[in-house]
Amino acid sequence: ELKVEQNPLFLSMQEGKNYTIYCNYSTTSDRLYWYRQDPGKSLESLFVLLSNGAVKQEGRLMASLDTKARLSTLHITAAVHDLSATYFCAVGGGTDKLIFGTGTRLQVFP
Amino acid sequence: DGGITQSPKYLFRKEGQNVTLSCEQNLNHDAMYWYRQDPGQGLRLIYYSQIVNDFQKGDIAEGYSVSREKKESFPLTVTSAQKNPTAFYLCASSAFPPRNRDTQYFGPGTRLTVL
Repeated sequence: ELKVEQNPLFLSMQEGKNYTIYCNYSTTSDRLYWYRQDPGKSLESLFVLLSNGAVKQEGRLMASLDTKARLSTLHITAAVHDLSATYFCAVGGGTDKLIFGTGTRLQVFP
Repeated sequence: DGGITQSPKYLFRKEGQNVTLSCEQNLNHDAMYWYRQDPGQGLRLIYYSQIVNDFQKGDIAEGYSVSREKKESFPLTVTSAQKNPTAFYLCASSAFPPRNRDTQYFGPGTRLTVL
């Protein structure tokens, strides 16, 4: 059974600092996704990672995938308040099912 | 504009009542999904459908039912058998089979509260 674990679950960081969110998954998969969710809102797609060594960047966020280690990271560079949200990783669970991690709630303060 | 709509945005249910949540998409996607999200939790898959007139149970299907009579529509019924239905319900759709860079697109959600 595919399991997806994220850490940390909560992250409070100061503006301007860097930090990394980790996503581990238990069985082989060919695709990994990162989503953002603002409080009370829906999920917004950030990145789709399809192969070992894949790296995607958008603004202050950079996602990478290591399929051999079954690990994806979401790196935040020079955090700003607008990045405050909950971030989910999700892994393809066969056909097109996705298994979601529990999420990392990020709070950026001045 | 292409997208996914869900209605209603907020829904209140009395004990013993069945309620139906609407999900419509105009993205021409074959696959549609229903997820449940509890406070501070990730998403759990209730049901999914990859083609009209066919659907499969997800991880937490008990107490829920769905239909897929049209490609654009995938309504979810929360039955009285679902003992703890208070949650945020999200509908999603995607191409099937998924192609490179395809992702699931989510609707705005329905917040269901049991009175």
